[in-house]
Amino acid sequence: EVQLVESGGGLVKPGGSLRLSCAASGFTFTNVWMNWVRQAPGKGLDWVGRIRSKTNGGTTEYAAPVEGRFTISRDDSKNTLYLQMNSLKTEDTAVYYCAMDLKRLDGSDFDLWGRGTLVTVSS
Amino acid sequence: DIQMTQSPSSLSASVGDRVTIACRASQSISTCVNWYQQKPGKAPKLLINAAASLQSGVPSRFSGSGSGTEFTLTISSLQPEDFATYYCQQCYTTPLTFGGGTKVEIK
Repeated sequence: EVQLVESGGGLVKPGGSLRLSCAASGFTFTNVWMNWVRQAPGKGLDWVGRIRSKTNGGTTEYAAPVEGRFTISRDDSKNTLYLQMNSLKTEDTAVYYCAMDLKRLDGSDFDLWGRGTLVTVSS
Repeated sequence: DIQMTQSPSSLSASVGDRVTIACRASQSISTCVNWYQQKPGKAPKLLINAAASLQSGVPSRFSGSGSGTEFTLTISSLQPEDFATYYCQQCYTTPLTFGGGTKVEIK
């Protein structure tokens, strides 16, 4: 079955760190550009960033609010995507989804999403 | 960054109604717009990509149109399962950006 499964969410204090994981299965993870998208409680969708496939350099891009604090990485041997979140702020509280374009692999039409993992930043 | 402005932010409609949701981009993005449906507690679901291409398995009552800066999602005859929040997203350039959402509620 083609799926993405996020994990690692939880409660963290402001200024703290957390690492999220996204386990992929059912497709060739190596070739895919992977994204993180978040949704604050009761709010809309916000793109967090993405990582290209290793064949495309494995480079990353980030949204301005997380640039310098969040790092996206991947372990193709484990079919897993990561989001390292440092210097967390209360406004980072959200459900975090990993998402991808299953048809184009390097595209931005997100037809495959995980179920999400909730991150709560609070003292 | 490209801003995506959706309207209305919410609407009330009855089963069988024709519903139209608008999305305006802050600059021309050709036809690089996707539409998603999200139900409470669930991940978004891609309905339409490239402004007008219906995803496999999505009912034909959903349609998309537009190019440049003005885009529309239409539901020709609203069904009970269509009550949800809808988002547009531009795929033209990073940072990828979403509209603020349109919540479709039961009248």
